Amino acid sequence: SQQGEEDPQALSIQEGENATMNCSYKTSINNLQWYRQNSGRGLVHLILIRSNEREKHSGRLRVTLDTSKKSSSLLITASRAADTASYFCATQGGSEKLVFGKGTKLTVNP
Amino acid sequence: KAGVTQTPRYLIKTRGQQVTLSCSPISGHRSVSWYQQTPGQGLQFLFEYFSETQRNKGNFPGRFSGRQFSNSRSEMNVSTLELGDSALYLCASSFAGPSSTDTQYFGPGTRLTVL
Repeated sequence: SQQGEEDPQALSIQEGENATMNCSYKTSINNLQWYRQNSGRGLVHLILIRSNEREKHSGRLRVTLDTSKKSSSLLITASRAADTASYFCATQGGSEKLVFGKGTKLTVNP
Repeated sequence: KAGVTQTPRYLIKTRGQQVTLSCSPISGHRSVSWYQQTPGQGLQFLFEYFSETQRNKGNFPGRFSGRQFSNSRSEMNVSTLELGDSALYLCASSFAGPSSTDTQYFGPGTRLTVL
């Protein structure tokens, strides 16, 4: 299985701090995507990084991808209480379907 | 533009019953994918429909089925419900499907509880 695995499973930080979440996967991929899910709701697409890209930015989000280590990281800078959510990485490889990890639960304390 | 809608939002059924969930994609989107989310297994891909054809299928038993209509709306059906089918069922729509780099837009989900 190429299921991604996020690390840590849970993260609690103070508002204003940076939050870093990691994702590891097992097989080769075409792209890797990060999603956010607020408690029990649908997922919101955050960012997609292709296998030939190493880093991508979107607002306060920074994603890196290391295909040699089969890992990715999501950095949220200057976190806010509204960033409290679960974050999932999803990989897309030859099977064409998205395969999600178990997620990191981020809590940002005011 | 309206987002992805799913109905019903909450559903309670008993073991052995069957259930049908509905998903209306964003206007113009032709691909609808379904996912099951549970605390134990996380998010798992069920199937994807594109232009009324099932294009991809996950590793779920035949009790799980789906279809897509000409207006791209999709339904999924679960027959002979088991306790383990209790989950949040999410659908996602996109122009070309998860095989492309199109962004998938998720609905709010249907929370199914099997008693």
